Amino acid sequence: AQTVTQSQPEMSVQEAETVTLSCTYDTSESDYYLFWYKQPPSRQMILVIRQEAYKQQNATENRFSVNFQKAAKSFSLKISDSQLGDAAMYFCAYIGVVDDMRFGAGTRLTVKP
Amino acid sequence: EADIYQTPRYLVIGTGKKITLECSQTMGHDKMYWYQQDPGMELHLIHYSYGVNSTEKGDLSSESTVSRIRTEHFPLTLESARPSHTSQYLCASSVGGATNEKLFFGSGTQLSVL
Repeated sequence: AQTVTQSQPEMSVQEAETVTLSCTYDTSESDYYLFWYKQPPSRQMILVIRQEAYKQQNATENRFSVNFQKAAKSFSLKISDSQLGDAAMYFCAYIGVVDDMRFGAGTRLTVKP
Repeated sequence: EADIYQTPRYLVIGTGKKITLECSQTMGHDKMYWYQQDPGMELHLIHYSYGVNSTEKGDLSSESTVSRIRTEHFPLTLESARPSHTSQYLCASSVGGATNEKLFFGSGTQLSVL
């Protein structure tokens, strides 16, 4: 079974600084997709960024970018110029050919003013 | 904005009650999911559906049941609620048919069983 591991239960960053959230996953598939979801206190899950495994180029969405290392099965999220509104739980997720999504345990990000 | 709706938003009930959590989406998505999440914890897949009349159990053993009679509707039912069922329940949908689909999530139902 595919598993997703987020080894950082909590992270903290100063406003305007950069923070990186880690995620590793285990799979035997070659074709899959990876996602970072944000869950603010309102609890609505929001897609932050996604990465197709067959693409070597790292995905970017404004201040959010990923470092996708396929051989190492690593998928970290970098948040640049952190804002107070970035404070939330961040979940790393995987979906493969089986088509059901697996989530990591989440990382709680605190942004300090 | 995702057009996926869950009701009720909050529910407090007594032990032994039968409840149904509603989930509807207006995007015509084939695939729908139910996740269970304890506060600050990971999401666990409890049920999913590939389309009408298709339902499957997920990773986490659940005493709940689901049905998919219409594409847009994927209700989750607990026949006899217990305090151990206290949790947040998140519904999600995706277009399906490929592995590049992102999930759209509802706002969740926070269930408390006394």
